[in-house]
Amino acid sequence: GAVVSQHPSRVICKSGTSVKIECRSLDFQATTMFWYRQFPKQSLMLMATSNEGSKATYEQGVEKDKFLINHASLTLSTLTVTSAHPEDSSFYICSARPPSGTSNEQYFGPGTRLTVT
Amino acid sequence: AQKITQTQPGMFVQEKEAVTLDCTYDTSDQSYGLFWYKQPSSGEMIFLIYQGSYDEQNATEGRYSLNFQKARKSANLVISASQLGDSAMYFCAMREATKLVFGKGTKLTVNP
Repeated sequence: GAVVSQHPSRVICKSGTSVKIECRSLDFQATTMFWYRQFPKQSLMLMATSNEGSKATYEQGVEKDKFLINHASLTLSTLTVTSAHPEDSSFYICSARPPSGTSNEQYFGPGTRLTVT
Repeated sequence: AQKITQTQPGMFVQEKEAVTLDCTYDTSDQSYGLFWYKQPSSGEMIFLIYQGSYDEQNATEGRYSLNFQKARKSANLVISASQLGDSAMYFCAMREATKLVFGKGTKLTVNP
């Protein structure tokens, strides 16, 4: 199956700093990528849909200015958590869809565990 | 309203036995897709099986099969011959347009 990578896998940062998480589709072009957040022992919650070359679409309740998403190319989307606080500590997972018609599946990255101290 | 309902927070099964994980969904769309993902403790989401709303036959992938009952809006996952490595969280998800909506998950524990 297709491969999606995320970097870093784990990050610890101090409160008030910003953290950037990268999501790459390694062997296919993804016009659409998705960012999810998962708190311990809970389900995945969609934060935003990232579209190459256009602004991301955020889900209700997600702060656009806090979670900056940039889909700069067909293989890379980044999520920047700005002015992070301890409540932003979570597991962030991205996914990507192959071009329409090639697969029904969304391929997930391995996730990034963010801890804000 | 919850779109995907997984009523079993936790399930236990003996190794080599079969287990069914429940999933019901709610949608007014005629075209939709249903997915099951496995999430081990490492956190990665592993795709298991897909069922399209127009697929007449139940999907199967190795030891995984999806019991799709459209009228009941259920899409239960059946794992045959459970293995210790099957212990994980299992999420049912439905595709709405381009998005995936996830259920709360079921934690499966396989006992030796």
